[in-house]
Amino acid sequence: KNEVEQSPQNLTAQEGEFITINCSYSVGISALHWLQQHPGGGIVSLFMLSSGKKKHGRLIATINIQEKHSSLHITASHPRDSAVYICAVGKSSGDKLTFGTGTRLAVRP
Amino acid sequence: NAGVMQNPRHLVRRRGQEARLRCSPMKGHSHVYWYRQLPEEGLKFMVYLQKENIIDESGMPKERFSAEFPKEGPSILRIQQVVRGDSAAYFCASSPPSIGNTIYFGEGSWLTVV
Repeated sequence: KNEVEQSPQNLTAQEGEFITINCSYSVGISALHWLQQHPGGGIVSLFMLSSGKKKHGRLIATINIQEKHSSLHITASHPRDSAVYICAVGKSSGDKLTFGTGTRLAVRP
Repeated sequence: NAGVMQNPRHLVRRRGQEARLRCSPMKGHSHVYWYRQLPEEGLKFMVYLQKENIIDESGMPKERFSAEFPKEGPSILRIQQVVRGDSAAYFCASSPPSIGNTIYFGEGSWLTVV
């Protein structure tokens, strides 16, 4: 079993919909990262979380340390949000990241 | 402050040739990580380096792959005698020396072995 599991693997939404992507992990962590990757593109760091909730524009990320679970929400989704969203965890400060397999999001106009 | 710079962005090599991928971390960052993304697969850790030291190479294949981060200059990921299975995107990430988890990724280097 992977240490980091994401769901769903694929997600199609209509423009304007509220989107939730989930991430569960099975190890102790110092931080959890949400990353975005466009096809053939680089990786952009969206959030780094160790507790609570963060918001940036239409994106919201939450983490529940006790339940080992995080969610990424996108409000008022737009076709430009179409990308792969990747959850990654670091077990200790400065340690390498372990990645989920990603959620492929397609937002239709 | 330029981000993490990787080059080349795209590299084509014939089987048996050598591939060298370079990564210049963000200014002030002394920690460099290399990750590999095989086609249709997730990202996997390869190696973690600090200046002149390999800290963790548990994700590196035992043969043909090596990495360095010299005192001066970029970090280099070297793949000798490439095979088709080495075709992948190779991402470099860097983080600052202070305690914390901020990490920044480069744009990636796409290696195609023909």
